[in-house]
Parts: sequence; structure tokens; C-alpha cells
Amino acid sequence: EVQLVESGGDLVQPGESLRLSCAASGFAFSSYWMSWVRQAPGKGLEWVAKEKGDGREKYYVDSVKGRFTISRDTAKNSLYLQMSSLRADDTAVYYCAREWESGIFDSWGQGTLVTVSS
Amino acid sequence: EIVLTQSPATLSLSPGERASLSCGASQSVSNSYLAWYQQKPGLAPRLLIYDAFKRATGIPDRFSGSGSGTDFTLTISRLEPEDFAVYYCQQYGSSLGITFGQGTRLEIK
Repeated sequence: EVQLVESGGDLVQPGESLRLSCAASGFAFSSYWMSWVRQAPGKGLEWVAKEKGDGREKYYVDSVKGRFTISRDTAKNSLYLQMSSLRADDTAVYYCAREWESGIFDSWGQGTLVTVSS
Repeated sequence: EIVLTQSPATLSLSPGERASLSCGASQSVSNSYLAWYQQKPGLAPRLLIYDAFKRATGIPDRFSGSGSGTDFTLTISRLEPEDFAVYYCQQYGSSLGITFGQGTRLEIK
């Protein structure tokens, strides 16, 4: 069974940094593109970043380019999102999601809440 | 980026009725790379439909997708109580990135 478990969400002040983690199990982690998708409170879904299974390709939504970095550790079957220069509009539940085929999210974690506020 | 606009924002129907949810794209979605997700309060989204009309594993056949180009539809043939939720369309055919619609809330009338 595919399982994705996010962690690392917290309350931080504007300008601070935070790293999210996603522990994957039940599938060949290094064979799949993985993404982070976020959802601001009471709002819709926004794709944030994606990384190829071998880590050689990474893509970001414009609003986080230069501030967020997606990465993975295949030995630990874990996906990460390093977030810096956080802003109030980064406040959201962050989900990690597996891409079964390019862009199709067939498995999701339960999400981790990031709150950016002074 | 491709902007997806879903309508209506809220749809009020009764169990047993037919639901039609629309998703319009600001430009053609290549290869009909469009998916639909269902999200219930406090839970992660669930994949329903991909490639515009293909049902994901385990999805009941009362859910169907159609459309191409810039106009897509999710139809639920006969609503069950568990179908009342928020539905999102998503395109994944653009090299400019993945985008979601703003969602349609399907509520019990």
C-alpha cells in the first residue's frame, strides 16, 4: 500500500525558513516524480514544485522560485521542501503527492500545516 | 500558465439527481491532459478521472468525464450521499506548469 506521511509544518515568522519532509513507503520511490501541492485555508489547490525520480529535473511555480527547493533522499525514501523567506501568503496545508504518470496525482499524504505570521 | 475556471462555484442537488460540473481552460489543454479530484473536509484530494475521461482505480462508474480542447465536464450520474464534496479540475499538459481550477462545491439541497 502506498503511504505518504508529511511532517515539519509549524508556525513561523515572515522571513524565516522551514523544511518539510514526506516519508514514502509501499512503492519504488526513486521511480516516480513527486510533487508538493498546497492549499491555503479555505482555498483551492496550488501545485508548488515537482522533482523527477532521479532528482535531475525540478520545476517550481513562479511564486516560489528562488525561495523553495525540492529534494529527495532515496536511501531514506523521503521527499523534502526547503522553504526560505517565507511570507504570509505561503500559509497553507502542504501535501506531498506521487505522480503516477506525469502530472497525475494518484496518491497524497495527509498534509502538514505551515502558518506564517508575526 | 493555463487558467482553469470551474462552474458553478456551488451546486445544490439532492441524492439520486445527476450532477454536471464544468471546467473551462484559457487555452487548449494538450492531449486532453485533464484530471478531476474529489476533496472532503479535512482530507486530501482523491483522483477520480484522468486524461479527461479515464476513471482512476476503484472509482465507481457513476463518475464520468468528457470534453477536449478548452471545455471539460465531470458528470455524476446519480448522486450518492458520499458524493457531496468539493471537486477540482487540474491540467497537466502545459510545459508552463500544472494548474488547478478553483473548485466546485457540491452540496445537498
